[in-house]
Amino acid sequence: GENVEQHPSTLSVQEGDSAVIKCTYSDSASNYFPWYKQELGKRPQLIIDIRSNVGEKKDQRIAVTLNKTAKHFSLHITETQPEDSAVYFCAASPGNNDMRFGAGTRLTVKP
Amino acid sequence: DTGVSQDPRHKITKRGQNVTFRCDPISEHNRLYWYRQTLGQGPEFLTYFQNEAQLEKSRLLSDRFSAERPKGSFSTLEIQRTEQGDSAMYLCASSSADTQYFGPGTRLTVL
Repeated sequence: GENVEQHPSTLSVQEGDSAVIKCTYSDSASNYFPWYKQELGKRPQLIIDIRSNVGEKKDQRIAVTLNKTAKHFSLHITETQPEDSAVYFCAASPGNNDMRFGAGTRLTVKP
Repeated sequence: DTGVSQDPRHKITKRGQNVTFRCDPISEHNRLYWYRQTLGQGPEFLTYFQNEAQLEKSRLLSDRFSAERPKGSFSTLEIQRTEQGDSAMYLCASSSADTQYFGPGTRLTVL
């Protein structure tokens, strides 16, 4: 089955700096890669996703890149703000509902 | 609120007791998923329904766990003879395609 690894486990940046979180996956059949943000005590919320027919996707300050050959994908947050502080999870799915999540990255944005 | 809802939000039980959780998906979603999340980890897949049919179960799901979705709408997850290791957040998600939307979760504490 799919195995997703996520790095780093914690990330601290100054407000206004960029943050990058990286994930690798093992199943070459995976074709859907969402990113979720989870604030303390709250549900995971989808912030952006990418499918394998696209190499990059951007939504305001958030972008995701996908390298299918290397089986890795990354989340980029620019101009970070304190409200970006949360745990971020990447996930990968081969489209058969078997979605596997990374262990999460705790992002802290210091004002 | 038309999102995924779960009930109860918190459950404290004694070891050996049975517990049941409920999930109400987004109304037009035919797919429903249960996950377990422990502190510092990403959601871990437990089981998946398409309409009323349970199509996948994780091998991690012991025979003390059972899930139903009798009418293809809400779902229940029952844990029999709870153990302290069952303490976790139980998340439900629903989808009509790839993108899964999560409920707020039920936090189970087994004493």
